[in-house]
Amino acid sequence: DVKVTQSSRYLVKRTGEKVFLECVQDMDHENMFWYRQDPGLGLRLIYFSYDVKMKEKGDIPEGYSVSREKKERFSLILESASTNQTSMYLCASRDTNNSPLHFGNGTRLTVT
Amino acid sequence: QKEVEQNSGPLSVPEGAIASLNCTYSDRGSQSFFWYRQYSGKSPELIMSIYSNGDKEDGRFTAQLNKASQYVSLLIRDSQPSDSATYLCAVTDTDKLIFGTGTRLQVFP
Repeated sequence: DVKVTQSSRYLVKRTGEKVFLECVQDMDHENMFWYRQDPGLGLRLIYFSYDVKMKEKGDIPEGYSVSREKKERFSLILESASTNQTSMYLCASRDTNNSPLHFGNGTRLTVT
Repeated sequence: QKEVEQNSGPLSVPEGAIASLNCTYSDRGSQSFFWYRQYSGKSPELIMSIYSNGDKEDGRFTAQLNKASQYVSLLIRDSQPSDSATYLCAVTDTDKLIFGTGTRLQVFP
């Protein structure tokens, strides 16, 4: 079974803080993704990566950056957290472009 | 902008009935189609994948794909209260998935 692990289940940060969300997958998947999910807006893609050190912007990259130094790890960085970044953040990975995504358990981030 | 459309619901069905969830998509080039179940406060869980026209059955679940009509559906037979969740349709777009906003299903005893 694919396991995607997100480092924190709940996180509370203050406005202006730099926030790191970590994600690790154990299936040697090439592709990794970061989404945020908000009520009524569904899943929105922030960034994705198809290889180490490679990254692609998704639909809502503003205010975020990512890092993929190793194949199994994909980090999402909020450079200066703002209250409108309060959300559920979901990391996912998959093998090929036609494979399904496997999600981690999510990180519920609150920015106060 | 490529889109995946789902009725937000809620869709309410009695226990034991068939629940029918529908999804349309805009990109004719899409190759792979997925249904995810998401319980409140949890992450999406894959329940069905379908890649070619027709029906695919797995236990109480049947996925149906019609590429000509750009339509994919999920049937849940013998619905149980534990099936109450939001069901997300997802469609491939080259190097990523596009998700619908989901249909909330309520199964009442």
